[in-house]
Parts: sequence; C-alpha cells; structure tokens
Amino acid sequence: AQSVTQLDSQVPVFEEAPVELRCNYSSSVSVYLFWYVQYPNQGLQLLLKYLSGSTLVKGINGFEAEFNKSQTSFHLRKPSVHISDTAEYFCAVSLTGGGNKLTFGTGTQLKVEL
Amino acid sequence: DGGITQSPKYLFRKEGQNVTLSCEQNLNHDAMYWYRQDPGQGLRLIYYSQIVNDFQKGDIAEGYSVSREKKESFPLTVTSAQKNPTAFYLCASSPRQGRGNIQYFGAGTRLSVL
Repeated sequence: AQSVTQLDSQVPVFEEAPVELRCNYSSSVSVYLFWYVQYPNQGLQLLLKYLSGSTLVKGINGFEAEFNKSQTSFHLRKPSVHISDTAEYFCAVSLTGGGNKLTFGTGTQLKVEL
Repeated sequence: DGGITQSPKYLFRKEGQNVTLSCEQNLNHDAMYWYRQDPGQGLRLIYYSQIVNDFQKGDIAEGYSVSREKKESFPLTVTSAQKNPTAFYLCASSPRQGRGNIQYFGAGTRLSVL
C-alpha cells in the first residue's frame, strides 16, 4: 500500500521569503502526485499535479514542485510567499493503475508572518 | 456554476441519533468520495463510488453508510455506531476514466456531538 509523509506539521515564514514544504511517498508501483491547499473551513483546491514527463511542475499562485523518483519526494516550493498563502497544504498520491483513490499526508500548516 | 455542494455547513448530533450529510455535484462526474478530516491526521477515505448503484468501503467505513441512487448525489449517513463522529467531512468527485484525474472538493460539513 502507498503512504505519504509530510514531516513538517507547521512552517512559519516571513512574507516575501522563500518556502519549501516537504513531501515523501512510499509505493511499490508508479504513482501520480498532487498538492492541494485548504483555507480555513473550506474544501481542498488543487495546486498542481505530476503525472509524467517533466519533473518540475508549475501550479497556481506561483507554486511549483519537483518530482524526485530516486528520493521518492515531491517537495512544494514558492520563491516569495504572500500573507494570503497562509493555509494548510496537503500532499497526495494515487496509483497509476488504481483508479482515482487518493492517499493524503497529514498536512503542513503554512503561516506567513509580516 | 459547476461544482460540489455540501449541506448543511454545520450539523449537531445527539447521542444515539443517525444524521445524514448531503453531497450534490453538477460536474457530470462518475466517481464520488467521502473523507473525514481530523486535526493533524489529514484526510481519511470513508466510502467511494465509481458508478451509480455501486460503492466501496474506504479505510474507515465503520459506523457510516452511503447510497448512490443518482449520479449527482452521494449522501453519507453517520450512524449511532460511530462513537466519535466529531470531525470535518469532505465530499469530492472526479471523472472515472483517465490518468490521474483530479478530485474536486466541496466546502465541507462540520459535525459536532451535543
């Protein structure tokens, strides 16, 4: 079975600073990878996804992520954060041959401070 | 506007009572999902349905039941057998076919026990 690890439960950062949110996965077969964002008391919104091809994926709101197969990682980055980026971020995987079922990490709370 | 509508936004359950959470989508998606979200635990899959009149248990189905009589609707019943129902419940949908299909989420229902 696949699993997702988000080691950082909280990441504080100052506005306009860069940020990296870490995600590692475990799977014996190929996976698709996703990052979702959740604002307080709302549902989840897709930031970006990796299916195949280029390992650097660009998403909405200036975020990007890099798929590293050898390290089984899919870290999310943004070169300069804004106060509005304060939210919870979830990494998720699905199996390439397993329908659309997602397995989520436990989330990382990004808090952007002035 | 196309999307997923969850109702009610807040719900209170008395001891021994069954309650039903509504999820409706007008995206013409085949697959629908129910997740439970607890602080620090990410999202856990309760039930999912790939097609009308068919559904499968997820990772934490005990104490919950679902039905899928119409393509656009996937209600979740939290039964009295669920001893710890307080959580944020999220419904999602996705096209059934295709590579790495994105799941689209509703705004959630917050369930509390009186």
